[in-house]
Amino acid sequence: KQEVTQIPAALSVPEGENLVLNCSFTDSAIYNLQWFRQDPGKGLTSLLLIQSSQREQTSGRLNASLDKSSGRSTLYIAASQPGDSATYLCAVDLMNRDDKIIFGKGTRLHILP
Amino acid sequence: EADIYQTPRYLVIGTGKKITLECSQTMGHDKMYWYQQDPGMELHLIHYSYGVNSTEKGDLSSESTVSRIRTEHFPLTLESARPSHTSQYLCASSLSKTEAFFGQGTRLTVV
Repeated sequence: KQEVTQIPAALSVPEGENLVLNCSFTDSAIYNLQWFRQDPGKGLTSLLLIQSSQREQTSGRLNASLDKSSGRSTLYIAASQPGDSATYLCAVDLMNRDDKIIFGKGTRLHILP
Repeated sequence: EADIYQTPRYLVIGTGKKITLECSQTMGHDKMYWYQQDPGMELHLIHYSYGVNSTEKGDLSSESTVSRIRTEHFPLTLESARPSHTSQYLCASSLSKTEAFFGQGTRLTVV
């Protein structure tokens, strides 16, 4: 059974710092991995999608990497801002009969002004 | 820009009432999902669909039911609401193997 783990569960850093969020998954048979952002009480906003054949994707200050063989992904946030405070979730799209999306529990990020 | 919509955004309803949460997408996506999320907690998949007339139960047992009569529409129904159903319900859609998009969610409170 595919399990998705995110470390750390919570993180507080001063504004301006660069930071890395981690995601690991147990089964490398995936179509893609997606990073989302969720603000309190809201839905999820897609940040980056990495297809299984890709190594990384970038969008502005965000860079996501994927190492499928080791079952790991990282989300790098450069020059963090208070507006980056949110919960960040990673999700994998399974390459199996079920073909469903499995989420990690998320990392709650707080950027200190 | 994601074109997936959930209504209502907020719903307070009495115990025993029947409710239907609506989810519609205009992107022609074949896959649709319902997740349940309590405040500050993880998402749990409760239902998903591969396409019209396809529905599957998710990882978390739920007393709700779903239907997929049209590609764009994936409503979730609770026949008799209970306080234990109080939660946020999130709908998502995707084309197979591509990016998933979420609606804004429905926050349900059963009193």
